Amino acid sequence: DQQVKQNSPSLSVQEGRISILNCDYTNSMFDYFLWYKKYPAEGPTFLISISSIKDKNEDGRFTVFLNKSAKHLSLHIVPSQPGDSAVYFCAASAIYNNNDMRFGAGTRLTVKP
Amino acid sequence: DVKVTQSSRYLVKRTGEKVFLECVQDMDHENMFWYRQDPGLGLRLIYFSYDVKMKEKGDIPEGYSVSREKKERFSLILESASTNQTSMYLCASSLGGGGETQYFGPGTRLLVL
Repeated sequence: DQQVKQNSPSLSVQEGRISILNCDYTNSMFDYFLWYKKYPAEGPTFLISISSIKDKNEDGRFTVFLNKSAKHLSLHIVPSQPGDSAVYFCAASAIYNNNDMRFGAGTRLTVKP
Repeated sequence: DVKVTQSSRYLVKRTGEKVFLECVQDMDHENMFWYRQDPGLGLRLIYFSYDVKMKEKGDIPEGYSVSREKKERFSLILESASTNQTSMYLCASSLGGGGETQYFGPGTRLLVL
């Protein structure tokens, strides 16, 4: 039962353009959402998060948008750089139960020079 | 910076062997986690621990056990390795208290022949 879904296994964009990675969730109890970035042969590293009291959180080139009614979040990277090429995982949890964090299957982003 | 280390980056074991994967964190985190990452499935929680000597099953605990004798160390044990346990194993830790970011180690790629 995948409660967090990333329906696009891969995405390719040109350097300098916007990358949009999408994530859907089914559990309405989730109220804390994160994006992780993973390079080959490394563990995932935390990128950005958002709690359900907000609909947008921005950190430099990275912005996460949350649409609670649609149970959808997205990660925007502007402008995209070749070093952003990695697998991006969406994750969700309920703040009262952080031990139960659910991850999506990941989206492999390739940014072409 | 949080540092989570895993004892091996790569391991090759034979079917039926007992396998130990070690994880150490240096930030006095309460929570520690073991995940496995498989293509198309994302990260799936095997076990987690919220305190020394405490453990809880995750989504896929079958064939695994864990040990947490010290706060900084969390071990994953494959009692009798099988080929379907070939995977990337990721350890993570978090401060505890809910809504906390998990910090990951570099992963151990295990091949069971």
